[in-house]
Amino acid sequence: DGGITQSPKYLFRKEGQNVTLSCEQNLNHDAMYWYRQDPGQGLRLIYYSQIVNDFQKGDIAEGYSVSREKKESFPLTVTSAQKNPTAFYLCASSPRTSGGDEQFFGPGTRLTVL
Amino acid sequence: SQKIEQNSEALNIQEGKTATLTCNYTNYSPAYLQWYRQDPGRGPVFLLLIRENEKEKRKERLKVTFDTTLKQSLFHITASQPADSATYLCALDGSGGYQKVTFGTGTKLQVIP
Repeated sequence: DGGITQSPKYLFRKEGQNVTLSCEQNLNHDAMYWYRQDPGQGLRLIYYSQIVNDFQKGDIAEGYSVSREKKESFPLTVTSAQKNPTAFYLCASSPRTSGGDEQFFGPGTRLTVL
Repeated sequence: SQKIEQNSEALNIQEGKTATLTCNYTNYSPAYLQWYRQDPGRGPVFLLLIRENEKEKRKERLKVTFDTTLKQSLFHITASQPADSATYLCALDGSGGYQKVTFGTGTKLQVIP
């Protein structure tokens, strides 16, 4: 089955710890994205990548880091510098053609900082 | 500043009626607009895309309109069913050349049997 997977589904972290969220896709998509969703708010873009070994900051990149060493993988690290990391994190991918491609989302990771 | 507005209040409608959701935007000139469905605790699922040169798009019971003069998109679900209950998000591109969209906050739809 083609799709996008995220792990773990639930993640708990102590304050001051870094944590890495996994995102893998087997859709052969070039573009990948990380969003954060808070209650009552829309999806806010953290980072996106259009090609391997390249990524750009989104609207709320502070306190986060990413890497894109392989086409199918786009892990997100939530660092201790992120002041309010408790949220629902969504990873997505798209083919990156002429524009307007739909984004395929993973099931999400709910991060709670204790 | 740029803004995408969807009705934050939940929309409750009777089964069988047509649900109409609104997406308004300011200070954008989108080349396209997308609609997604999101169920609680899950990732959004793409429904429809409409481009700036299209007035209307249909897919089964779904219809989307796009008025670039009013800066508004309407999303209609005809013959609504309880299974249509979800949050619906609009998303539009903010700059050309990138696969980068900005999402609205979504409208929660509740279809009452």
